Amino acid sequence: ILNVEQSPQSLHVQEGDSTNFTCSFPSSNFYALHWYRWETAKSPEALFVMTLNGDEKKKGRISATLNTKEGYSYLYIKGSQPEDSATYLCARSHSGSARQLTFGSGTQLTVLP
Amino acid sequence: DSGVTQTPKHLITATGQRVTLRCSPRSGDLSVYWYQQSLDQGLQFLIQYYNGEERAKGNILERFSAQQFPDLHSELNLSSLELGDSALYFCASSVGLAQETQYFGPGTRLLVL
Repeated sequence: ILNVEQSPQSLHVQEGDSTNFTCSFPSSNFYALHWYRWETAKSPEALFVMTLNGDEKKKGRISATLNTKEGYSYLYIKGSQPEDSATYLCARSHSGSARQLTFGSGTQLTVLP
Repeated sequence: DSGVTQTPKHLITATGQRVTLRCSPRSGDLSVYWYQQSLDQGLQFLIQYYNGEERAKGNILERFSAQQFPDLHSELNLSSLELGDSALYFCASSVGLAQETQYFGPGTRLLVL
């Protein structure tokens, strides 16, 4: 994998459903994996930063896991609510002195009431 | 509110013109990053500054330049503007190079007519 890839591109779920998205990234020269939540007309909001293989992070109903050896991360949302509707972006930073992020194209989640 | 401020919020200008976008990082953050979000592309890294010095360059056009001032605010200068430069420009900041979370400003929406 050369770029950061996210799937699915979009997702519609019913309120109360649990859902998950995938982020795949190059595992070489890996430094950290970021998840952001981006609502329309707002700026991306940081959810998690993970650096170690096997890392798991949780924030309320949202959690994420990281596998640096195979180059993927999952984001889970338990009991989706309409306010969870947003685009979820993952991004990878590289080892080295700079820390710029390479973003995936995002998963657009719509939670239907 | 991430604590990162960007001005102006919106900018409409004509082809061939030059504009300056301004970013003030969160208090205490030394690193500033500029990203571009075009209609048909995801968030693309442009350039990073750390404590006044350029740290990394991404796909930044030669017509674009940036700098970070002693008070740590940053400016992105876009010149000889073309229609394709119309995009949302985000600034993000982080504490340093070890602190990974990047906090995004509200963005400047540029429209080139």
